[in-house]
Amino acid sequence: NAGVTQTPKFQVLKTGQSMTLQCAQDMNHNSMYWYRQDPGMGLRLIYYSASEGTTDKGEVPNGYNVSRLNKREFSLRLESAAPSQTSVYFCASSEQPSGGSIFGPGTRLTVL
Amino acid sequence: AQKITQTQPGMFVQEKEAVTLDCTYDTSDPSYGLFWYKQPSSGEMIFLIYQGSYDQQNATEGRYSLNFQKARKSANLVISASQLGDSAMYFCAMREGLGGGSNYKLTFGKGTLLTVNP
Repeated sequence: NAGVTQTPKFQVLKTGQSMTLQCAQDMNHNSMYWYRQDPGMGLRLIYYSASEGTTDKGEVPNGYNVSRLNKREFSLRLESAAPSQTSVYFCASSEQPSGGSIFGPGTRLTVL
Repeated sequence: AQKITQTQPGMFVQEKEAVTLDCTYDTSDPSYGLFWYKQPSSGEMIFLIYQGSYDQQNATEGRYSLNFQKARKSANLVISASQLGDSAMYFCAMREGLGGGSNYKLTFGKGTLLTVNP
C-alpha cells in the first residue's frame, strides 16, 4: 500500500519550458488535490478534483492545468514555467470528511 | 482576511514538557472541520488530529489534543510530554462545509516551527 506517490521528486526547468507533475493514489479515494508550498505561506490549493471526471480551481490556479486521468491519477501541468512557480508541490487525496488528507512526498520544482 | 491564523512563527519547549500551538480560524459556515498537520524537516505532511465543528468533546490522539473553543474560534494543539522528534513545522488547516460530494479541500495557516530542546 503505497498511499500517494508523486513523480518526479526534484525538477529544474528554464523559464518557458513545460512539464507535467504526476500523482497517483492507491486508496480508492474520490477526491484529489494539488497544493503548492512557499516559504512563509503555508500550503495553498492550486486545483482539486472532487471525483473522477471533474476538476475545479483552487486559490492559485493561474499558470497551471490539471487532468484527472482516472480515479487513481491526477496530473498537474505547467505549460510555460515562470520563476514564480518555483515551489514545493504536494498532491493529496481524501475520502472521509473527518479523515485527514493523505499527502504525497512532494516535488521540489525550481524554475530558472 | 486570513481564514486560518497561526500567530507563533516559532516556539521552543523543553523535552518532556507540554506545549500549546495556537490557531484561530474564521468562517461563517456552521459546518467545518479543523486539522493539524506535522511537517518534519524531511518535508512530508503528516496528519495528526481532527476536530469537527459539531463535536462536543475535544479531540485527542495519543500525546496530541485539540483545545477547541468554538465561541472564540480557536483550535489550539496541545502536545504533552514533548519529545525531540516533535521538532517540526506544524500547520493548522480548515475544511469548510460538508463538501460537495466528497470534496474536502483544506485552507492552511502559515505554520509554527516547534523546536524541542534536550
